[in-house]
Amino acid sequence: DVKVTQSSRYLVKRTGEKVFLECVQDMDHENMFWYRQDPGLGLRLIYFSYDVKMKEKGDIPEGYSVSREKKERFSLILESASTNQTSMYLCASSLKGARGYTFGSGTRLTVV
Amino acid sequence: AQSVTQLDSQVPVFEEAPVELRCNYSSSVSVYLFWYVQYPNQGLQLLLKYLSGSTLVESINGFEAEFNKSQTSFHLRKPSVHISDTAEYFCAVSPNNAGNMLTFGGGTRLMVKP
Repeated sequence: DVKVTQSSRYLVKRTGEKVFLECVQDMDHENMFWYRQDPGLGLRLIYFSYDVKMKEKGDIPEGYSVSREKKERFSLILESASTNQTSMYLCASSLKGARGYTFGSGTRLTVV
Repeated sequence: AQSVTQLDSQVPVFEEAPVELRCNYSSSVSVYLFWYVQYPNQGLQLLLKYLSGSTLVESINGFEAEFNKSQTSFHLRKPSVHISDTAEYFCAVSPNNAGNMLTFGGGTRLMVKP
């Protein structure tokens, strides 16, 4: 089975800190995605990538950046964390042209 | 562009009762359809999907969904729910012409009571 691993299940960070959320997949998937999930708002796409060193903005990219230096790893960066970025963050991956995504277990980030 | 509407944010139901979680979509092109399930404090798992062929698709744990093109719906049903079905369920669509970007609905929280 494809495995998508998010490095932390729970994180607590202070306002203004630079935060890195890491995601690694082990099945050579071309596509990788970062979502945030908030009550009542469902899943919202932050950034996605179709290839190494390639990135595209999703629906809510403000306050975030991403890095994809290797095919298996897709990092989400909060340059200066704020309390409104407290959320569940979900990483997903898929093969090019595949139908459906494989999700990681999520990282619940709290910014205090 | 596509959009997905899940009409119920929460569905409370007693154990062993039937349940239907509603999903409607809009799209200018033909679509693929998915249901994902999220158990508490976990990521999303694929429950079932419609790509082509029979409009009725089933999961291994007793859920089924029927693609209705004329009503642009993909409702999820189970004839008898268990406590363990308590979770959040997300409907999603992607265009079938190119690429595979999913658009998700807002989710429905299924709460099964003893």
